Amino acid sequence: GAGVSQSPRYKVAKRGQDVALRCDPISGHVSLFWYQQALGQGPEFLTYFQNEAQLDKSGLPSDRFFAERPEGSVSTLKIQRTQQEDSAVYLCASSRMYSNQPQHFGDGTRLSIL
Amino acid sequence: SQQGEEDPQALSIQEGENATMNCSYKTSINNLQWYRQNSGRGLVHLILIRSNEREKHSGRLRVTLDTSKKSSSLLITASRAADTASYFCATDEGGSTLGRLYFGRGTQLTVWP
Repeated sequence: GAGVSQSPRYKVAKRGQDVALRCDPISGHVSLFWYQQALGQGPEFLTYFQNEAQLDKSGLPSDRFFAERPEGSVSTLKIQRTQQEDSAVYLCASSRMYSNQPQHFGDGTRLSIL
Repeated sequence: SQQGEEDPQALSIQEGENATMNCSYKTSINNLQWYRQNSGRGLVHLILIRSNEREKHSGRLRVTLDTSKKSSSLLITASRAADTASYFCATDEGGSTLGRLYFGRGTQLTVWP
């Protein structure tokens, strides 16, 4: 596709449920990033993939957060046993190479935990 | 923290005026980027300036970088109502090849017709 695609755009879940957020990066992009953006804040880094390898997951807030990119293309961010503080917009970005490159962002998934 | 901080937090101007936003960061960088975000949308890349560059232009945008002061500025000339958005600076980590970006809280720009 022309840009980074994220689905769903909106997700409402009850506290304690598991959720899965999907990201389709730009075709051929090596690097894929997940960020979390709270209301009125800038994005905060969660994790980074280079092809299928997860090279940095230092931003994941707890072991309830898990991300994968098994074939080096589509990525899924999974949150288990959701809590209210997980409510945020989750942004996915991809870039052509490893670093020193612009990142192309999707429109995000707005997650609301009730 | 490496996080950049934008100043001012909010800026309100008339169409045709220039808008200047500033960004400060804390540690060494390879490059600094500016992004724009419209409400409810993802971030759009505007411009990337490398640590060995001092100034860069793209259309109505002018970015400066002063690595000695660890600061950058974004100037939008002849602003338009369509420029209304949040603007973020983002820095990477000097010496790192991982590409992780650190964002500030952004400047909310409002341009009145």
